[in-house]
Amino acid sequence: GESVGLHLPTLSVQEGDNSIINCAYSNSASDYFIWYKQESGKGPQFIIDIRSNMDKRQGQRVTVLLNKTVKHLSLQIAATQPGDSAVYFCAENSGDNYGQNFVFGPGTRLSVLP
Amino acid sequence: ETGVTQSPTHLIKTRGQQVTLRCSSQSGHNTVSWYQQALGQGPQFIFQYYREEENGRGNFPPRFSGLQFPNYSSELNVNALELDDSALYLCASSLRTSRDEQFFGPGTRLTVL
Repeated sequence: GESVGLHLPTLSVQEGDNSIINCAYSNSASDYFIWYKQESGKGPQFIIDIRSNMDKRQGQRVTVLLNKTVKHLSLQIAATQPGDSAVYFCAENSGDNYGQNFVFGPGTRLSVLP
Repeated sequence: ETGVTQSPTHLIKTRGQQVTLRCSSQSGHNTVSWYQQALGQGPQFIFQYYREEENGRGNFPPRFSGLQFPNYSSELNVNALELDDSALYLCASSLRTSRDEQFFGPGTRLTVL
């Protein structure tokens, strides 16, 4: 069945370093992926998305890489800042164009050390 | 802030009771999705409403039900509460086009004793 998981439940990085958060998915029909950031006491916040016809997409300080061959997704955060400390979720969708049934992974907690 | 609001912020109920959670979607959005997020886990899709009709449902029993109103706000109702229903309940609003971004509210923390 569908599942989205993460390789590491926690990640600690030094401020200013780059962070890489990984995600594995098992549904080969998934064709749309989103990375969310969730801070304590808040709902998930959209970071960046990528469709399956792309391998890479860049935003402000963030890059998402998609490897469909091994069903792997990663989020790279450049020059990690204290404000980046949060739980990061990948979510996948394989519904029709109007489907919003996203399957979330368990999350990775990113801690930024001073 | 996303413009999506939820009420109440926190709620404590006892097993067997019923609860209603509310969500006001972002202006202009006609679709609301509800998710359950257990502690330390990712959100799980409960169901979605589009123009007052249920438009997709996750693996949740019928005692989880919902409504969407003409102004696109929404309610999540849970009957016969169980201890495992304790979780953060999130709603997300979106404009129903090709997988538009969902905007999440802050959630309602439900504790069932």
